[in-house]
Amino acid sequence: GQSLEQPSEVTAVEGAIVQINCTYQTSGFYGLSWYQQHDGGAPTFLSYNALDGLEETGRFSSFLSRSDSYGYLLLQELQMKDSASYFCAPMDSSYKLIFGSGTRLLVRP
Amino acid sequence: DTEVTQTPKHLVMGMTNKKSLKCEQHMGHRAMYWYKQKAKKPPELMFVYSYEKLSINESVPSRFSPECPNSSLLNLHLHALQPEDSALYLCASSQPSSSYNSPLHFGNGTRLTVT
Repeated sequence: GQSLEQPSEVTAVEGAIVQINCTYQTSGFYGLSWYQQHDGGAPTFLSYNALDGLEETGRFSSFLSRSDSYGYLLLQELQMKDSASYFCAPMDSSYKLIFGSGTRLLVRP
Repeated sequence: DTEVTQTPKHLVMGMTNKKSLKCEQHMGHRAMYWYKQKAKKPPELMFVYSYEKLSINESVPSRFSPECPNSSLLNLHLHALQPEDSALYLCASSQPSSSYNSPLHFGNGTRLTVT
């Protein structure tokens, strides 16, 4: 079967660092993507990991461990505009992107 | 602003109506998707078109009928919907799904209410 786990909600203060974890179980696996969605908006692509290790894009980094079926999104120097939902999304062997239940990040002043 | 355009933004329809949702992209992407999203839930995949051919149908009821007239356009025809079908319908596009790291570009969605 397929399953995805990520925390439902995370709260942090402006300027801090936050890590959103994701564990997955899929039928085959090609890579792990992360998407951000503000309330009322469209999901937007943040990052993709196909291989183990850390990918860095500005304030956001994403990590993957294929052997542990685990990844995380790291957000640094948090800003108020980072308040949004964050979805991990593994791609399975049929090239389907499966969205996790989402983590709602609230950044406080 | 997104590069995937969906119309209409909002749609209210009765259970006996027939309506269509439209999606357009001009990024040269050859894969297009329909997702359904309920409030505070993740997007759920409905259909995938690759090179204008239906490649994935996630066991969606036949009251939803997708159509891909050309590589830039994607429609979702709606007929005899139920109130529980009320949701945000998102269109997305990407390079063909075999390009593993090709991100999905989403439109802003059509907010559908079935009365």
